Amino acid sequence: VQLVQSESEVKKPGASVKVSCKTSGYTFTKNAINWLRQAPGQGLEWVGWINTNTGDPMYGQGFRGRFVVSLDTSVSTAYLVIKSLKSEDTAIYYCAREEADVGTPPLDSWGQGTLVTVSS
Amino acid sequence: SYVLTQEPSVSVAPGQTATITCGGDNIESKSVHWYQQKPGQAPVLVVNDDSDRPSGIPERFGGSNSGNTATLTITRVEAGDEADYYCQVWHTDTDLYVVFGGGTKLTVL
Repeated sequence: VQLVQSESEVKKPGASVKVSCKTSGYTFTKNAINWLRQAPGQGLEWVGWINTNTGDPMYGQGFRGRFVVSLDTSVSTAYLVIKSLKSEDTAIYYCAREEADVGTPPLDSWGQGTLVTVSS
Repeated sequence: SYVLTQEPSVSVAPGQTATITCGGDNIESKSVHWYQQKPGQAPVLVVNDDSDRPSGIPERFGGSNSGNTATLTITRVEAGDEADYYCQVWHTDTDLYVVFGGGTKLTVL
């Protein structure tokens, strides 16, 4: 199982960024993908989740509106788009796979992280 | 919202046992997962569902969950165990969502 994320990005405030998470080594549609944020020197925050079978997303509090998760099942890839970037969005963003067929699953495989820097 | 509380730091000598706690209201009713994060690296799952170990995780890592406190225990601590540790649960109110504790920095003296 591998989750490989896109490279670091530097963006200006107000711009948008798209982070990708390309998966391999398993059947993409069997495991949901979660997105997490880690600001510099801080802990982990849950951005949201996408059901890779239905495409249905869910977002954490504070991440509704500007954050959009999506899929391209043809290339086994999940995406996170952040719109109207703010300086406080500067962070490492991780994708992580949920263990399948479990009610409250752990995140059993993680991408390497993508640093998004928002600076004028 | 549901809050998980961890001590910011724990220090232990090599060879001793480290205990890291995660407090939450009636946390025993939830499955608790624990992650290890070393500097500059992505988190790694070390304990799932309170006390199970994923493949490849040493037997030195264990967990328990009772009442309002879940615990990660690392026996025979090694220098390589120095890292941040996070507990995680799923919580439901109007929706089902992920909650992380604030993290505990484990220092090996």
